[in-house]
Amino acid sequence: KAGVTQTPRYLIKTRGQQVTLSCSPISGHRSVSWYQQTPGQGLQFLFEYFSETQRNKGNFPGRFSGRQFSNSRSEMNVSTLELGDSALYLCASRAATALYGYTFGSGTRLTVV
Amino acid sequence: QQQVKQSPQSLIVQKGGISIINCAYENTAFDYFPWYQQFPGKGPALLIAIRPDVSEKKEGRFTISFNKSAKQFSLHIMDSQPGDSATYFCAASGPPSGNQGGKLIFGQGTELSVKP
Repeated sequence: KAGVTQTPRYLIKTRGQQVTLSCSPISGHRSVSWYQQTPGQGLQFLFEYFSETQRNKGNFPGRFSGRQFSNSRSEMNVSTLELGDSALYLCASRAATALYGYTFGSGTRLTVV
Repeated sequence: QQQVKQSPQSLIVQKGGISIINCAYENTAFDYFPWYQQFPGKGPALLIAIRPDVSEKKEGRFTISFNKSAKQFSLHIMDSQPGDSATYFCAASGPPSGNQGGKLIFGQGTELSVKP
């Protein structure tokens, strides 16, 4: 069974640009969550999607947005990139029947220069 | 109330020793407490998790101890091995239907190094 797949693995963007990251959950998983990981702030929750609806959102500015498609694949977008957005962005998926038990992907390493 | 506090930040243990990492939480709505293990270049991987209705859960060399009244929980790694060297994160989550659901609140992480 394939795990959570995130693409691309690495990205370098310039300040002010926008970026889109992609996440393919484990087959059959309908819940997808996104997290930002930095050395200073650790792992912070961005948002969760279930059946194409955003169910929960973390404390991030509106420049961070996401969406989920009917096949459960998810994308997150960051507009007007700032240097502080450099981080590892992690996606996690969960089966609808499992109350918990999130499985994480290996992440996308975003560097803003 | 959202925080999960984890200690120590780093830990060095000899091979065969016991590694102990502690976490404390404030929000009594949390009802799921997992531990994740992360190797460089990888995402966090679920190691073991506990619900507040039990005080201890053991899986192989890994044990979670949970103290509901003190709002604390800890990870014990018995017979620590060099392959256990990684960063460990505790986390907490509320019921999926509640406003804390669907999101994991992570501790700051503990970098464990097991010396041969």
